[in-house]
Amino acid sequence: DVKVTQSSRYLVKRTGEKVFLECVQDMDHENMFWYRQDPGLGLRLIYFSYDVKMKEKGDIPEGYSVSREKKERFSLILESASTNQTSMYLCASRWAGNSGANVLTFGAGSRLTVL
Amino acid sequence: AQSVTQPDIHITVSEGASLELRCNYSYGATPYLFWYVQSPGQGLQLLLKYFSGDTLVQGIKGFEAEFKRSQSSFNLRKPSVHWSDAAEYFCVSGGGSEKLVFGKGTKLTVNP
Repeated sequence: DVKVTQSSRYLVKRTGEKVFLECVQDMDHENMFWYRQDPGLGLRLIYFSYDVKMKEKGDIPEGYSVSREKKERFSLILESASTNQTSMYLCASRWAGNSGANVLTFGAGSRLTVL
Repeated sequence: AQSVTQPDIHITVSEGASLELRCNYSYGATPYLFWYVQSPGQGLQLLLKYFSGDTLVQGIKGFEAEFKRSQSSFNLRKPSVHWSDAAEYFCVSGGGSEKLVFGKGTKLTVNP
């Protein structure tokens, strides 16, 4: 089974801190995604990456950046955390070929609280 | 623009009752359609998917969904709900774009 591992399940940070959320997948997937999940809003795409060193903005990229130096790892960075970034963050990956048809595999999520 | 609508934010059913969760999509061609389930505090897990062919698709945990082009719908069904089915369910469309479009989810509560 494909595994997508998010190293931090729960984080508590202070306003203005730099936050790193790490995601690692073990099945050589080209595409990786970061979503944010908030009650009533569903999942919103922050950034995605087609492949190593490639990234593209999603629907809500403001206040976030990403890094994909290795194929298996996709990091989400909050340069200066704010309280409105308190949320559940979900990482996902999939094969690239015929990508619209490919199944996303999700990590368990990282719940971030910014005080 | 592509969109997915789940009209029901919250549904409550009794254990053993049948279930239908509604999903409507907006897309010019036939989209790729998925249903995912999210148990509390967890990531999303694929229940089933539709790409083409037979419009009734079977998934895991006894779920099925039917694609109806004329109604732009992809409703999820289960004949008899178990308490462990309590979760949030997401309908997702994936046609024509690298990015997927998620519905806002339907939270299912199961009463004993």
